Amino acid sequence: DVKVTQSSRYLVKRTGEKVFLECVQDMDHENMFWYRQDPGLGLRLIYFSYDVKMKEKGDIPEGYSVSREKKERFSLILESASTNQTSMYLCASRTPGQANQPQHFGDGTRLSIL
Amino acid sequence: EDQVTQSPEALRLQEGESSSLNCSYTVSGLRGLFWYRQDPGKGPEFLFTLYSAGEEKEKERLKATLTKKESFLHITAPKPEDSATYLCAYYGGSQGNLIFGKGTKLSVKP
Repeated sequence: DVKVTQSSRYLVKRTGEKVFLECVQDMDHENMFWYRQDPGLGLRLIYFSYDVKMKEKGDIPEGYSVSREKKERFSLILESASTNQTSMYLCASRTPGQANQPQHFGDGTRLSIL
Repeated sequence: EDQVTQSPEALRLQEGESSSLNCSYTVSGLRGLFWYRQDPGKGPEFLFTLYSAGEEKEKERLKATLTKKESFLHITAPKPEDSATYLCAYYGGSQGNLIFGKGTKLSVKP
């Protein structure tokens, strides 16, 4: 089974802090994704990466950056946390090279910015 | 603009009362329609992929079907443990990424 592990289930930070969310997958997937999920808005794509050192902006990249130094690890960075970034953050990965394969998700990090 | 619309937003059933959830989409050239289950406080769990009209997939009390414009998730004789939010999604948009519906929240009462 695919295993996508997010480092924290719950995180509380203060405004202005630099926040790192970590995601690791164990299936050698080339493609990895970061989403945020908010009530009434559904899942929205922040950034994605098709391979190591590669990154692409999703639909809502403002205020975020990412790092993909190793194939199995994809990090989401909040450069200067703000209260409107309080949300559930979900990481996903996908079988390489096949666009019509499903994405597999981690259990999420619920982030609160005070 | 590619869109996914799920209905109803919420559905309350008695245990054993069968029903269906709907997912309609606008994209042409569908490259897979996906169903996920999401429990509160957890990430979406993959259930099914459907690729072509007429295709059906089953898992326990769930059966997913696909037509040219919509997909249904049929729930037969549901149990309280089937309570969850069910999401559908497909690959579309300018970047070919997954586009999700907002989900149907299913509650099954004993």
